[in-house]
Amino acid sequence: DGGITQSPKYLFRKEGQNVTLSCEQNLNHDAMYWYRQDPGQGLRLIYYSQIVNDFQKGDIAEGYSVSREKKESFPLTVTSAQKNPTAFYLCASSSVDWSYTFGSGTRLTVV
Amino acid sequence: AQSVTQLGSHVSVSEGALVLLRCNYSSSVPPYLFWYVQYPNQGLQLLLKYTTGATLVKGINGFEAEFKKSETSFHLTKPSAHMSDAAEYFCAVSGAGGTSYGKLTFGQGTILTVHP
Repeated sequence: DGGITQSPKYLFRKEGQNVTLSCEQNLNHDAMYWYRQDPGQGLRLIYYSQIVNDFQKGDIAEGYSVSREKKESFPLTVTSAQKNPTAFYLCASSSVDWSYTFGSGTRLTVV
Repeated sequence: AQSVTQLGSHVSVSEGALVLLRCNYSSSVPPYLFWYVQYPNQGLQLLLKYTTGATLVKGINGFEAEFKKSETSFHLTKPSAHMSDAAEYFCAVSGAGGTSYGKLTFGQGTILTVHP
């Protein structure tokens, strides 16, 4: 079955450390997205990519970086510049018929 | 620019009662509207979406929503709540064009509690 795989499910980061969250899809979707979820704030867009080798900042891109070298993959790096990284991170992809598919998420905690 | 407001961060209903979750949006382009459900520590599952055509949209699990352009609303309803409906619900809007194209803007979420 097609879908989005996010890994790891839980991730712990030490102060000053960079960590990378994985997102892989086998839906052949062109567009991919990263959202951050905090309690009571809904989901906020970090980065998105509508085509390979191209991506744009979302509403809260500071302290994050992405790459889109393959259609199937859209990894997110949380850098040490992100001062409050503890959150639930969701990856999504979309097709031309406005069907969005979400991964099961990665919960990142600073220790 | 787009925004979504979900009225009520928590809604509590009795099993068998009507479920009504409110969503109002603003959009500078024709909106595409979505309702998602999220269970704890999981991703989002699409309940229904409105893009074009009929303004009353039926989704999964007995949910439906009506797009009312004059009221800029897209409220979610279900005639009879079930215990399994307890979850968090998100309304989202995406623009059909311009700089909003393809991006979802979410509301803050509404936690639905169903009690026996």
